[in-house]
Amino acid sequence: KAGVTQTPRYLIKTRGQQVTLSCSPISGHRSVSWYQQTPGQGLQFLFEYFSETQRNKGNFPGRFSGRQFSNSRSEMNVSTLELGDSALYLCASTRRDIGTGELFFGEGSRLTVL
Amino acid sequence: GQNIDQPTEMTATEGAIVQINCTYQTSGFNGLFWYQQHAGEAPTFLSYNVLDGLEEKGRFSSFLSRSKGYSYLLLKELQMKDSASYLCAVRDLGSASKIIFGSGTRLSIRP
Repeated sequence: KAGVTQTPRYLIKTRGQQVTLSCSPISGHRSVSWYQQTPGQGLQFLFEYFSETQRNKGNFPGRFSGRQFSNSRSEMNVSTLELGDSALYLCASTRRDIGTGELFFGEGSRLTVL
Repeated sequence: GQNIDQPTEMTATEGAIVQINCTYQTSGFNGLFWYQQHAGEAPTFLSYNVLDGLEEKGRFSSFLSRSKGYSYLLLKELQMKDSASYLCAVRDLGSASKIIFGSGTRLSIRP
């Protein structure tokens, strides 16, 4: 069974640009969450999607957005990039109707903003 | 709001036992997770507690006291490969799909 797949793994952007990150969840998982991880702040919740609907949102500015497609794949977008957006962006999927509903994480997309 | 506290760093000796504490203050509670994250890798699930008490899984055990807003992760017979960050996370009651993480405890194992 394939795990959570995130692309791209690494990318470098400059201030003011925008970026789109992609996440393919584990087959059968309909919930996808996004997290930002930085050394100082740890894992910060961005948002969560289920059945193409955003169900939860963290405390991030409107420059951070996302969406989910009918096949459960998700994308997140960051517009007008700032230096502070440099981070590891982790996607996680879950299937809450069985087990503990734990999150399964992808390897992440490491974004560097210059 | 939610607040999760855990020590930033800990050091222990190979073969010993270490306990990593986590305290939380949340507006709602629907379970507590522990994750392990090796440097440069994704977090992986270790344990889940939703009721008070101890859950044991091999060398790892996790304890929860909901009335005290307290949990700990106990690692026995430490191995060098246990050097990693350990993340405490709480699932929100009102929004069960929202899981909030603490900043993590970086555990270093010395020979």
